[in-house]
Amino acid sequence: QQQVKQSPQSLIVQKGGISIINCAYENTAFDYFPWYQQFPGKGPALLIAIRPDVSEKKEGRFTISFNKSAKQFSLHIMDSQPGDSATYFCAASITGNTGKLIFGQGTTLQVKP
Amino acid sequence: GAGVSQSPSNKVTEKGKDVELRCDPISGHTALYWYRQSLGQGLEFLIYFQGNSAPDKSGLPSDRFSAERTGGSVSTLTIQRTQQEDSAVYLCASSLGRQWYEQYFGPGTRLTVT
Repeated sequence: QQQVKQSPQSLIVQKGGISIINCAYENTAFDYFPWYQQFPGKGPALLIAIRPDVSEKKEGRFTISFNKSAKQFSLHIMDSQPGDSATYFCAASITGNTGKLIFGQGTTLQVKP
Repeated sequence: GAGVSQSPSNKVTEKGKDVELRCDPISGHTALYWYRQSLGQGLEFLIYFQGNSAPDKSGLPSDRFSAERTGGSVSTLTIQRTQQEDSAVYLCASSLGRQWYEQYFGPGTRLTVT
């Protein structure tokens, strides 16, 4: 019940295209859903996050869509650029708890020029 | 100021030896987390510190793993009698206590047990 399932494992997109990564969870107590971006040799960096009281959050080219009833959320990267090539992790946490993040398995994104 | 720093960046050790991994959080961050990232896997929570206390140690995989934090700052993760399955990247993150959800990660320590 603590798992967060992420798909696809890898993704290849042409420059200018839309990259879509999906995550699903079971624990309805989760109420904070961040996405992290990780470049090789670096630690993950917070990209964007959402709480379940909204269905969508947009920051620049990055959008999170959230479906509370389906217990699913997704990251959309519009106008994907080669510089977006990285590994993306979704995560979930519970407010008021220790703050520990439960991560998905990660998606390696390659944007071809 | 500076971000989260970790040392060493790489560590190769022989099976059965003990290792210590260090984390220097962002100054003023009261919360500190250790995660482990195995090859091709997501990040796995190990332990959480609030100040010098560790209210959540639920992710430590065995009693060979321990961690401490001193002065509300530096933390050390110790792995005793290392095994090959301990090989992974160990990541440290810190956050402001009142903004715990914004965790800032260090670059990690890559541990290889031969």
